Amino acid sequence: EVQLVESGGGLVQPGGSLRLSCAASGFTFSSYWMHWVRQGPGKGLVWVSHIHSDGTSTSYADSVKGRFTISRDNAKNTLYLQMNSLRAEDTAVYYCALSSGSHWGQGTLVTVSS
Amino acid sequence: DVVLTQSPLSLPVTLGQPASISCRSSQSLVYSDGNTYLNWLQQRPGQSPRRLIYKVSNRDSGVPDRFSGSGSGTDFTLKISRVEAEDVGVYFCMHGTHWLFTFGQGTKLEIK
Repeated sequence: EVQLVESGGGLVQPGGSLRLSCAASGFTFSSYWMHWVRQGPGKGLVWVSHIHSDGTSTSYADSVKGRFTISRDNAKNTLYLQMNSLRAEDTAVYYCALSSGSHWGQGTLVTVSS
Repeated sequence: DVVLTQSPLSLPVTLGQPASISCRSSQSLVYSDGNTYLNWLQQRPGQSPRRLIYKVSNRDSGVPDRFSGSGSGTDFTLKISRVEAEDVGVYFCMHGTHWLFTFGQGTKLEIK
């Protein structure tokens, strides 16, 4: 059974940093693109970033470019999102998702507030 | 960039009655491999999204057959033949390839 389990969310002050993790199991992690998607309070789904199966290619939404970094450790079956210079508008539930959107984690809440 | 526009954004439905959600794309979603990468997601209250339909009309494992997807090119539809209480939530169309995710605004289905 495919499982994606996010962790690392929490309350952080504007300008602060957080590192999200997504632990994957039940499939060959190293064979799949992976994505981060976020959902602000009461809002829709917004794509944040993706990474190629071997980690060589990444892409970001304009709203997070230069502040967020996606990475992966295929030996640990784990996806990461390093978030720096956080802003209030980054407040959201962050989901990791398997390529094509076939599976989603339960999400981790990031709140940026003073 | 692909823009997906859903309608309606709010959908009150009587239990047992059918429901239909439209998703229109700003450009064709047919790829050179012949596939059309249009998915439908369901998000029940307090839960994470779950994919129901992939490549326009293929139901994911465990999805009841009252859910069906159809369409082609730029116009797509999700239909629920008879709405049940557990169908309450928000439905998103999604352009989803291995490397690209784009979402519609979401349609909130509620019981009348």
